[in-house]
Amino acid sequence: DAKTTQPPSMDCAEGRAANLPCNHSTISGNEYVYWYRQIHSQGPQYIIHGLKNNETNEMASLIITEDRKSSTLILPHATLRDTAVYYCIVRAQGAQKLVFGQGTRLTINP
Amino acid sequence: DGGITQSPKYLFRKEGQNVTLSCEQNLNHDAMYWYRQDPGQGLRLIYYSQIVNDFQKGDIAEGYSVSREKKESFPLTVTSAQKNPTAFYLCASNGGGRAYSPLHFGNGTRLTVT
Repeated sequence: DAKTTQPPSMDCAEGRAANLPCNHSTISGNEYVYWYRQIHSQGPQYIIHGLKNNETNEMASLIITEDRKSSTLILPHATLRDTAVYYCIVRAQGAQKLVFGQGTRLTINP
Repeated sequence: DGGITQSPKYLFRKEGQNVTLSCEQNLNHDAMYWYRQDPGQGLRLIYYSQIVNDFQKGDIAEGYSVSREKKESFPLTVTSAQKNPTAFYLCASNGGGRAYSPLHFGNGTRLTVT
C-alpha cells in the first residue's frame, strides 16, 4: 500500500471549515483513499473514501487532485466535537491490510 | 444496533500471565482484525482473518495468538512471550476484500501489565 504524509497537527476555529491535507504521491491506480478519525480513547471512526472523483457525505467532503497524488478532507462547519486525530490511508482493491500512519491531530478552538 | 463489542474496556494483568481479549461483531462481516496502538502512535496490525477457521499474521504478530471458530468472534490472546504487552488494543471488521468496504472498529481494550 502507498504511504501517506500528513501534517502532525492543525488548529481550526469553531464554525469554520477545516481542511486537512494528505499527500500520497506513490498511489497506484487501484488504490482508494480512506479517511478515519479517532477521538481520544475510542476506536477509529470511518469518515469517507474515494477513488478518483470528489465525494461528499453527511460528515465531510473529500477532494482528490486530478493526478491523485494528494487529497483534502473538508469538515465544512467544524465543531468542538470534531477535535480528533485524522488518518488518511490508501488501500488497494482486495488488500486486507489498512496501514495507519500517525495522522493529523486537529484541534477545534472555541 | 449493529456493531463491534470489545470487552473489557480496561484489563490489568501480572507479568507472565496470558490474557484473552474478546471481540464480537453482529455486522455479518467476513473479515476481522486486531490492531495495537501505543501512546501517540498510529495503529499496527497484529492478526487478521478473512473467513472462519483462517487467519494471517500482521506486522507484529509475535507474542500473540488468535482463533476464528465463529464468524462473529475473533478473540486475541496476549501471551507471556509478548515483551511489551501494555497497550490499547482495537478490534475491527469489514466486508472482506472489497476495496470500498470500510473498517468498523470497537472501542478498544486498554491492557496494563505490571
